[in-house]
Amino acid sequence: DVVMTQSPLSLPVTLGQPASISCKSSQSLVYSDGNTYLSWFQQRPGQSPRRLIYKVSNRDSGVPDRFSGSGSGTDFTLKISRVEAEDVGVYYCMQGTHWPPWTFGQGTKVEIK
Amino acid sequence: EVQLAESGGGLVQTGGSLRLSCAASGFTFSNYWMYWVRQAPGKGLVWVSHINSDGSSTSYADSVKGRFTISRDNAKNTLYLQMNSLRAEDTAVYYCAKSLEYWGQGTLVTVSS
Repeated sequence: DVVMTQSPLSLPVTLGQPASISCKSSQSLVYSDGNTYLSWFQQRPGQSPRRLIYKVSNRDSGVPDRFSGSGSGTDFTLKISRVEAEDVGVYYCMQGTHWPPWTFGQGTKVEIK
Repeated sequence: EVQLAESGGGLVQTGGSLRLSCAASGFTFSNYWMYWVRQAPGKGLVWVSHINSDGSSTSYADSVKGRFTISRDNAKNTLYLQMNSLRAEDTAVYYCAKSLEYWGQGTLVTVSS
C-alpha cells in the first residue's frame, strides 16, 4: 500500500500570512495514463470533508484561489497564500493512483495563532 | 445540487450487524463510482470500500474484507454498506462520497460490548 506522509501535523498560522503543507508518498503517484491522482481535502471543525484540489493542482468549483496545489512524483504541497479564519481545520492529502486502497495522509491541523 | 444523505448508523453490540444507506440526488447516480470512508473519533480519514458505476466491481480495505459488503441500487439512487461481525474498532463516522469529490454529512456507528 502507498503510504502518505504529511508535515507538519500541526500548523499555527497568523491571519493574512501564507501556509504550506507537505505530502510525500512512498512511491510515485504518476499513473499509466500520465495523470497524477493526488487530491487535497479540507475538514472544518464539525463538518464533512470537502475536496479542494484534484490531480495535484486543479481547484474544485467554489474553492478560493488562495488555495493552490503543486508537486510531482512523490512530493506534493498545498499552499494557502493568505490564511483566513475560515481556513481553520484539518487538511488531508490522498492518493488515487495505486488503488485499492485509496490512502490518506495523517492530516495537518491548521489553527490561528 | 449534489446531495448525499447517509442513514442507518447507531449503537450495536460487538458481533452485530448494521446496514448503512446513502441516498443520492442532484446528479446521475448510475454514472459515478461511489465510496465509503470512515473516521474514528478524533482520528483521520480511512477509505473503506468502493463500487463502480454499475455495481460490477467492488473493493474493500483489508480491515473490513469478508465482513462488509458494498452495493448500490441505481433505480433508487441509493448506496449501501452491509456491515457484519462488527468490532469495537469499527466505531466511526461513516461517510459516503461521490467520486471522492462530494461527501455526505456522515452517520455514526458505535460498536460496544
